[in-house]
Amino acid sequence: AQSVTQPDIHITVSEGASLELRCNYSYGATPYLFWYVQSPGQGLQLLLKYFSGDTLVQGIKGFEAEFKRSQSSFNLRKPSVHWSDAAEYFCAVGAVYSSASKIIFGSGTRLSIRP
Amino acid sequence: DAGVIQSPRHEVTEMGQEVTLRCKPISGHDYLFWYRQTMMRGLELLIYFNNNVPIDDSGMPEDRFSAKMPNASFSTLKIQPSEPRDSAVYFCASCSSNQPQHFGDGTRLSIL
Repeated sequence: AQSVTQPDIHITVSEGASLELRCNYSYGATPYLFWYVQSPGQGLQLLLKYFSGDTLVQGIKGFEAEFKRSQSSFNLRKPSVHWSDAAEYFCAVGAVYSSASKIIFGSGTRLSIRP
Repeated sequence: DAGVIQSPRHEVTEMGQEVTLRCKPISGHDYLFWYRQTMMRGLELLIYFNNNVPIDDSGMPEDRFSAKMPNASFSTLKIQPSEPRDSAVYFCASCSSNQPQHFGDGTRLSIL
């Protein structure tokens, strides 16, 4: 079955510290992978995506993620977090086939920033 | 550029009433998705359309829920009759084939 696992429900890091949010997936085909961010009261905003090519992808707001096929992982990283990064982060996986652009979301990781 | 537009942003109504949520996708996008988000169940895909045709409605919870897309620029999600357990944030998203989905800001629905 296709699934996305975000093992950390809530993470707190200090402002200026580095960040890594974990994402593991189970998918039968070559996956397309996404990270979205959701601020309170807002919709989901795309941070970055991996479709093919270089396994290290850069996104907006200084985020990056690395696709590791052998580990079925797509972890999100940021070298130095800012207070404005406090939000909910969702990993998602999909596969483009003939009739859909459907994706499966993980349960999310809530990020809090310690001043 | 205008993003995905949802209305209303907030809806409070009494159980048993009909609720209609609206979505205007990004122009040119041929896929439209309806999601429901709750604390307990997270983000759930309810239904999606391709070129205005419903493709997969297996996520629609029950017959009280219905969705339509009469044209490429408008979709509705209707709940009739509404129940307190329908309280959630409902999101609409759209995309072109092989491209990431763009989300609206959601409708926060409260059924009393």
